[in-house]
Amino acid sequence: NAGVMQNPRHLVRRRGQEARLRCSPMKGHSHVYWYRQLPEEGLKFMVYLQKENIIDESGMPKERFSAEFPKEGPSILRIQQVVRGDSAAYFCASSVTPNTEAFFGQGTRLTVV
Amino acid sequence: QQPVQSPQAVILREGEDAVINCSSSKALYSVHWYRQKHGEAPVFLMILLKGGEQKGHEKISASFNEKKQQSSLYLTASQLSYSGTYFCGTATSGNTPLVFGKGTRLSVIA
Repeated sequence: NAGVMQNPRHLVRRRGQEARLRCSPMKGHSHVYWYRQLPEEGLKFMVYLQKENIIDESGMPKERFSAEFPKEGPSILRIQQVVRGDSAAYFCASSVTPNTEAFFGQGTRLTVV
Repeated sequence: QQPVQSPQAVILREGEDAVINCSSSKALYSVHWYRQKHGEAPVFLMILLKGGEQKGHEKISASFNEKKQQSSLYLTASQLSYSGTYFCGTATSGNTPLVFGKGTRLSVIA
């Protein structure tokens, strides 16, 4: 049973470009959570999705950021017109049901130059 | 609202014990503990649900006092492999996402 898969592991984008981060949850998991982590800091909640639905996006900036979890395929976190402040590690986690053991992917480290 | 963890950092010698605390200003449904090593993904340690339970995982155990909205993680006879940053994540209901504290950096030295 493969774990949570994130790709790419590292992503470099120039200011103004778009970044697409992908997350394939563990098999059988329909709940996906995205977190952002800055160096030496904690995990900041961004968005919680269940298949085809956004359940809670209270931690996601209103502009430039969007997330989806389609019926088929991975969850996507999309950042449009990236700025230097978007540079961070983005982790996704998945669980079978809410508030049960959540497994994290290895993260995507986004660098904006 | 983000839970508060203490201490921010602790250094132990092998074999020593440590306690990491996590407190919230909100009524909690559950507390989750994770450990993250540098450059790696957070790894799940345990969940505690309201009910004042205590759980154990080898030499790592935890308690949850729902009346005080506090949880503590106990590491006994620490090993070098225990080094890392420990995060508590809290949820206010059964279907809300986890909100994590800023973490406690634990360093175990020989």
